Amino acid sequence: GENVEQHPSTLSVQEGDSAVIKCTYSDSASNYFPWYKQELGKRPQLIIDIRSNVGEKKDQRIAVTLNKTAKHFSLHITETQPEDSAVYFCAEARDYKLSFGAGTTVTVRA
Amino acid sequence: DADVTQTPRNRITKTGKRIMLECSQTKGHDRMYWYRQDPGLGLRLIYYSFDVKDINKGEISDGYSVSRQAQAKFSLSLESAIPNQTALYFCATQGQGSGNTIYFGEGSWLTVV
Repeated sequence: GENVEQHPSTLSVQEGDSAVIKCTYSDSASNYFPWYKQELGKRPQLIIDIRSNVGEKKDQRIAVTLNKTAKHFSLHITETQPEDSAVYFCAEARDYKLSFGAGTTVTVRA
Repeated sequence: DADVTQTPRNRITKTGKRIMLECSQTKGHDRMYWYRQDPGLGLRLIYYSFDVKDINKGEISDGYSVSRQAQAKFSLSLESAIPNQTALYFCATQGQGSGNTIYFGEGSWLTVV
């Protein structure tokens, strides 16, 4: 999307290592930042989200951090497993409507 | 979720033909969206609707039109398909009770030859 930049576009990690994906946004009024995971041939599905009044959120091996001042947020996956291989999309929203990043293809090597 | 159903799932059509992609949902959500997915470009918003009488253009609406026939139905039309409209199309819904969470349909592969 035109409002969100996502890096890197591809990421290869060894099983058990961590993976980090970063996104930057431009609209200071954005208040909702979800992350979606899309497995091959399937639809994107929400894995974690964060709102602008929170700096960090964690769910098992997945965590998201938000820096409102710098307008960037990141997805952290720890202890990566083969089933973490997928395309990950960040997104931002101000008034319900989501704008997505271009996606990061994550490959976890066994 | 099977609650958001797209038809057809796959379609090959010729340049210049009219094609309609249909979406229906049983989630009771007011907001519905059509996104297009291309490799390296992510998900781009084509059109969205917040209720039956509301239609809004997204970032790439040229060459597309939509119709919100009922709360549960939102269709996307390509009046005269062209090859660069070959893509994977997703319908999505969003409800007031779900915060901003968007739920996607299974996707419709469209190839224009």
